[in-house]
Amino acid sequence: DTGVSQDPRHKITKRGQNVTFRCDPISEHNRLYWYRQTLGQGPEFLTYFQNEAQLEKSRLLSDRFSAERPKGSFSTLEIQRTEQGDSAMYLCASSPGTGVGGYTFGSGTRLTVV
Amino acid sequence: GIQVEQSPPDLILQEGANSTLRCNFSDSVNNLQWFHQNPWGQLINLFYIPSGTKQNGRLSATTVATERYSLLYISSSQTTDSGVYFCAVYTGGFKTIFGAGTRLFVKA
Repeated sequence: DTGVSQDPRHKITKRGQNVTFRCDPISEHNRLYWYRQTLGQGPEFLTYFQNEAQLEKSRLLSDRFSAERPKGSFSTLEIQRTEQGDSAMYLCASSPGTGVGGYTFGSGTRLTVV
Repeated sequence: GIQVEQSPPDLILQEGANSTLRCNFSDSVNNLQWFHQNPWGQLINLFYIPSGTKQNGRLSATTVATERYSLLYISSSQTTDSGVYFCAVYTGGFKTIFGAGTRLFVKA
């Protein structure tokens, strides 16, 4: 296992289209996180999964956003009816289930809404 | 909520120089991490350091949890050290709060 994988690396979409991103965490990590990062800012928390359960969602995650983690393995983040303000880097991270030890981040998916 | 402040916001160094980056946080934290974000956007974990001092090559970090700050030291800087350095704190919930980062540029 070489780390956290995210796909695609880049996505350009027209406003109003739906997009879906995928994250494959480190296999032995049961905690998975999604963050969003806009230019010049630090990452902002979006949502958290422990195994397949989504335990926390940020108020940043509007009803156009949905995340899943079926079977507690990979996760998907879907954005419906994209808006220009959704343009950002979407980062996935995973961490060990013990709650200690740090995050490992993926390379991110850069979304551009035109 | 907890506030995380990093300083300086921007830093330009000549290759070979040393530097200290600071992270202040407004409340008690359970854990703290330092990350380096390279020019391609990848966040690399540098240190997981809730307290004490750790060293890894030219980098070292110290967290004084009772005084609510952490320091990242970079010695003999290299051009490959350029990027953004983030401090992130974990307060016991499910999320980690990031500072705004220190943007470092090392000149050859």
